[in-house]
Amino acid sequence: RKEVEQDPGPFNVPEGATVAFNCTYSNSASQSFFWYRQDCRKEPKLLMSVYSSGNEDGRFTAQLNRASQYISLLIRDSKLSDSATYLCVVNMPRGSTLGRLYFGRGTQLTVWP
Amino acid sequence: DTAVSQTPKYLVTQMGNDKSIKCEQNLGHDTMYWYKQDSKKFLKIMFSYNNKELIINETVPNRFSPKSPDKAHLNLHINSLELGDSAVYFCASSQGVGTTEAFFGQGTRLTVV
Repeated sequence: RKEVEQDPGPFNVPEGATVAFNCTYSNSASQSFFWYRQDCRKEPKLLMSVYSSGNEDGRFTAQLNRASQYISLLIRDSKLSDSATYLCVVNMPRGSTLGRLYFGRGTQLTVWP
Repeated sequence: DTAVSQTPKYLVTQMGNDKSIKCEQNLGHDTMYWYKQDSKKFLKIMFSYNNKELIINETVPNRFSPKSPDKAHLNLHINSLELGDSAVYFCASSQGVGTTEAFFGQGTRLTVV
């Protein structure tokens, strides 16, 4: 099983739609979780960290389910500018593999007018 | 003020050549990384340095040699380049090892012909 698995998509949605991305991770001891966004031919940038209680940032909501080792990202009221690849990122804890960040393959989103 | 900068942005070279990519961060972070993103967009860690000390060395051919002269710099030297080395190489930095947000450079698009 890969360390971080995501549905690669692509997801093609109209403006204003709500879209959800899912991600599973393999190491139950992982402690830090993130969603990154990568635009075409650009570097990945942090979209938001994911907390156990779930967190929201404007139109974006991230959820973590530790029991199922599952992370989600919900985007409401999609904008054209949300078109990008969304990367699920999980750390492996210290003492095992020295706290490296593992990236999922990314889920491609295209929002059309 | 670029936080993580790497040079060059593009690199086209012939098989068998030796090349270097340089990376500098001005964020005061203690950890720096090299990631490789292949044609399938999978972002995979290669190396990580914490306070100039190598702490992560993934299964990477020994033709790849990182060097960290100080906390703010992490360079990557590649000997005897092969076609399969063609990829985008990203430098990143973070405060702490893998538990906090990683900031990425713009990437170096390496093409080996």
